[in-house]
Amino acid sequence: QKEVEQDPGPLSVPEGAIVSLNCTYSNSAFQYFMWYRQYSRKGPELLMYTYSSGNKEDGRFTAQVDKSSKYISLFIRDSQPSDSATYLCAMSPNTGNQFYFGTGTSLTVIP
Amino acid sequence: NAGVTQTPKFQVLKTGQSMTLQCAQDMNHEYMSWYRQDPGMGLRLIHYSVGAGITDQGEVPNGYNVSRSTTEDFPLRLLSAAPSQTSVYFCASSYRDAYEQYFGPGTRLTVT
Repeated sequence: QKEVEQDPGPLSVPEGAIVSLNCTYSNSAFQYFMWYRQYSRKGPELLMYTYSSGNKEDGRFTAQVDKSSKYISLFIRDSQPSDSATYLCAMSPNTGNQFYFGTGTSLTVIP
Repeated sequence: NAGVTQTPKFQVLKTGQSMTLQCAQDMNHEYMSWYRQDPGMGLRLIHYSVGAGITDQGEVPNGYNVSRSTTEDFPLRLLSAAPSQTSVYFCASSYRDAYEQYFGPGTRLTVT
């Protein structure tokens, strides 16, 4: 069983829709949870970061962590065509340690 | 700042050939790592380093060597290329106690 599971999609939504992206994990030691965005043929870029459980909001993006269920989510409100990319979740037990990535979910926002 | 740079961008190798993928960063980051990205497999850690002279294996280290003689550079060596090593390789760096990794643009490697 992989440490981190993520539905690869692809996911296609109309512009303005709310998008929900999710990951599950098996290692209860994970405390740091990140979402990266990767445009085609580019390296991943950090989008959101959350420590332990709870919610974090940044503009149209909200990250949620439920450690009791070992489940994390990224919500995108009012999705835009520029949000079309692959979204990867990542997590780690500590900073300065190994990071474990999901397989990524491919998202297309249709104008 | 150039950030994280990788060379070459593309490479085609024949089975059995060796080569070195270059990675450099100008942010004075202690932590550097190499990942490979394959369809359906996501990013998998090959090797990482927490500082000059210190390296360790990740999830998929077989067939690869690394060294870290300076803070800035972290080359990845393919000893004897195999078709299974066809992939996109990303180098990343971060401060040692940071959660954010900065990724390079990637090297697309094909082994025939």
